[in-house]
Amino acid sequence: GESVGLHLPTLSVQEGDNSIINCAYSNSASDYFIWYKQESGKGPQFIIDIRSNMDKRQGQRVTVLLNKTVKHLSLQIAATQPGDSAVYFCAEEDPGTYKYIFGTGTRLKVLA
Amino acid sequence: DVKVTQSSRYLVKRTGEKVFLECVQDMDHENMFWYRQDPGLGLRLIYFSYDVKMKEKGDIPEGYSVSREKKERFSLILESASTNQTSMYLCASVTSGYEQYFGPGTRLTVT
Repeated sequence: GESVGLHLPTLSVQEGDNSIINCAYSNSASDYFIWYKQESGKGPQFIIDIRSNMDKRQGQRVTVLLNKTVKHLSLQIAATQPGDSAVYFCAEEDPGTYKYIFGTGTRLKVLA
Repeated sequence: DVKVTQSSRYLVKRTGEKVFLECVQDMDHENMFWYRQDPGLGLRLIYFSYDVKMKEKGDIPEGYSVSREKKERFSLILESASTNQTSMYLCASVTSGYEQYFGPGTRLTVT
């Protein structure tokens, strides 16, 4: 199949375990962040977002944590399933520009 | 549910052809974007539009143009396709709350 990125960092996780994917962002003034999931050959899928006035936000099986002090974002996936295998990347809204800055992505492999 | 559609999933064109990639969103969003995605390079912004008939160059506009005649439709045009424009093209649409949603992508091959 197609790959969305060569030489991406890879996280291998046993099925049923929790996954943590990390992202460093660049602009301390950014106040909106998104996590995407991208399966091979498909467009990125919006998973969860968070604004800078929050430290944590939970969705269904996913949690996003925001640490503004060190400009770090993480995505936690609970009870990882084979269908979670994909590339995950973060995006930050570039303040005042309409644009978004994207992380390079992490490939998640779920081992049966 | 936000829906962003792209006119083709796969497209094969010859060098020098004019290529149109269409993107439609059904949520009355003002901001729309065109990106290309290449292995090792990630997502790169080609053009974006923040209103009908308004467009702004992104990071790699050379060889591309865009058209936004109606709010729901944002077209990417390759005036004269070249092999280095072989790529995955992704359209995105943004809500008033800055949530950016992507279409399924068009895999363009220029031979």
